[in-house]
Amino acid sequence: EEQLSESGGGLVQPGGSLRLSCAGSGFTFRSHVMSWVRQAPGKGLEWVSVISGGGANTHSADFVKGRFTISRDNSNNTLYLQMNRLGVEDTAIYYCVRDSAISLMTAAVTRFDLWGQGTLVTVS
Amino acid sequence: EIVMTQSPDTLPVSPGEGATLSCRASQSISNNLAWYQQRPGQAPRLLIYGASTRATGIPARFSGSGSGTEFTLTISSLQSEDFAVYYCQQYYKWPPGRMFGQGTKVEIK
Repeated sequence: EEQLSESGGGLVQPGGSLRLSCAGSGFTFRSHVMSWVRQAPGKGLEWVSVISGGGANTHSADFVKGRFTISRDNSNNTLYLQMNRLGVEDTAIYYCVRDSAISLMTAAVTRFDLWGQGTLVTVS
Repeated sequence: EIVMTQSPDTLPVSPGEGATLSCRASQSISNNLAWYQQRPGQAPRLLIYGASTRATGIPARFSGSGSGTEFTLTISSLQSEDFAVYYCQQYYKWPPGRMFGQGTKVEIK
């Protein structure tokens, strides 16, 4: 079964840091473009960052402003999101999502065909 | 930046009835549109991509249509598990800006 499982969320003070992890299983992790999408409490979906299958190319939403870094370890089928200088506006469930695109080099979003269960980040 | 606008925000529907949800793009996105369903307390799941292609395992009562700037998600006969929030997403333009619509909540009438 194809699965994504996030971890690393929790309570952090404003200005603090947190690293989220996402373990993929049941599919060829290294082939897929991967993203993080977040959802503030009671709000809609907001794309955060994307990384190419090989990990060399990334893009992030403007609101990240250099605070967040997406990375991956294909040897361990794991996606990461390093979040620094967190603000209360970053409080959200963070979802790890698989893009349907298979690309080692391109970091661009298409459709998200597999979602993790999400991990809650609370900045307070 | 492309802006995705969904309507209505809330749609009351009786079980067994049909529902039509709309999504409008501020400029043409061809057919580069996906629909997602998010049930309460769950992660979203992909329903439709390419504006009209059902994702794997999605029942035939879900259908998508449209191209350019106007798109529709139709649910032919609502089952209890279909009461949820539905989001559209464009993947035509890069960087994507705000790629998701604000969502439409389909609730029991």
